[in-house]
Amino acid sequence: AQSVSQHNHHVILSEAASLELGCNYSYGGTVNLFWYVQYPGQHLQLLLKYFSGDPLVKGIKGFEAEFIKSKFSFNLRKPSVQWSDTAEYFCAVNNMNRDDKIIFGKGTRLHILP
Amino acid sequence: DGGITQSPKYLFRKEGQNVTLSCEQNLNHDAMYWYRQDPGQGLRLIYYSQIVNDFQKGDIAEGYSVSREKKESFPLTVTSAQKNPTAFYLCASRGTGGFNQPQHFGDGTRLSIL
Repeated sequence: AQSVSQHNHHVILSEAASLELGCNYSYGGTVNLFWYVQYPGQHLQLLLKYFSGDPLVKGIKGFEAEFIKSKFSFNLRKPSVQWSDTAEYFCAVNNMNRDDKIIFGKGTRLHILP
Repeated sequence: DGGITQSPKYLFRKEGQNVTLSCEQNLNHDAMYWYRQDPGQGLRLIYYSQIVNDFQKGDIAEGYSVSREKKESFPLTVTSAQKNPTAFYLCASRGTGGFNQPQHFGDGTRLSIL
């Protein structure tokens, strides 16, 4: 079955620490990849996406992600986190060989200590 | 402003009762989605629709039904067959232009059982 795995369910960091959140998917074909963020009390919003070209994608608020096809991975990174990055982060995948079905991972809850 | 409107924000259901959650979008998007969000489970796809008068089951469609009679509307009915309906329900839409388009999300409806 198609699936998206986020390895870290809950991450706690201090401000200025570096961040890497893991995301792996199980599709074999061509994919589009997304990271969404849900700040407390707010709706889901797009952080960044990959669909082709440079596998290193830059998003909003200093986030970036790298698509490594051989590892079926799309890890999210930020060199120096801020307290305002406290949120829940979701990885999502769309298999381009199929249809509009988009599958999400279970999410990673990030808590930044001031 | 263009966006997705979900209503109501909070909904209570009695045992054995069907309830319908509303989702309306004015983004002129073709594709619409319903997800269920539970703590630690991420977003799980219930139903999605790529075009008017057509929809497909997602991963957890049992106990739910949808319709897509108009492009801007995609209501979700939680039937009495859904034994554990308490959750946060999110509606999303996605525009044309290829599978690289991100989803836009509503603010959600929280359903509880009395």
